[in-house]
Amino acid sequence: EAAVTQSPRNKVTVTGGNVTLSCRQTNSHNYMYWYRQDTGHGLRLIHYSYGAGNLQIGDVPDGYKATRTTQEDFFLLLELASPSQTSLYFCASSDVPNAETLYFGSGTRLTVL
Amino acid sequence: QQQVRQSPQSLTVWEGETAILNCSYEDSTFDYFPWYHQFPGESPALLIAIRPVSNKKEDGRFTIFFNKREKKFSLHIADSQPGDSATYFCAAANTGNYKYVFGAGTRLKVIA
Repeated sequence: EAAVTQSPRNKVTVTGGNVTLSCRQTNSHNYMYWYRQDTGHGLRLIHYSYGAGNLQIGDVPDGYKATRTTQEDFFLLLELASPSQTSLYFCASSDVPNAETLYFGSGTRLTVL
Repeated sequence: QQQVRQSPQSLTVWEGETAILNCSYEDSTFDYFPWYHQFPGESPALLIAIRPVSNKKEDGRFTIFFNKREKKFSLHIADSQPGDSATYFCAAANTGNYKYVFGAGTRLKVIA
């Protein structure tokens, strides 16, 4: 079973604050993803990456930056957090094209006051 | 815009019944269609998936039916059990770029 570790588990910040969410996978997967989960919207793709230094734009990228520093590490940055970014954030990784399963981390619950 | 539409938003069935969850999509380049389930407080996990070369995929009590012409696919859960109560997400991906797009989810409740 692939291991995807997210940190922190919970984060509270204020409007305008600077937040970094971290994700690490130790399975040498090529692809990594950031999703946000909101009631009524399901899982919406923010950014994804197919390798170190690569970044692909997802469906809801506004207000988010991401950086893939290594094969293992993928970060999501909120430089001016807003209350609309209060959500449950999931990171996922996949060994595509060898296998197409997405393996999700445990999630980070972010609250922006 | 919702690239993958999922219905119903919530569904309640009795134990032993067949639960039917539906999804549709617009993008003809999608060529991989997985279903994920998520139990309360947990992360989504892959349940079953299908490629358009087939119109049916079975795994125990779980079956995907796929209609390429109408761009629809559904998950049938036979002999539903209370332990199946969870949120189910359909998804679609283009295996050229592996961008996975999810539906909004169906919250399934199975009553004993």
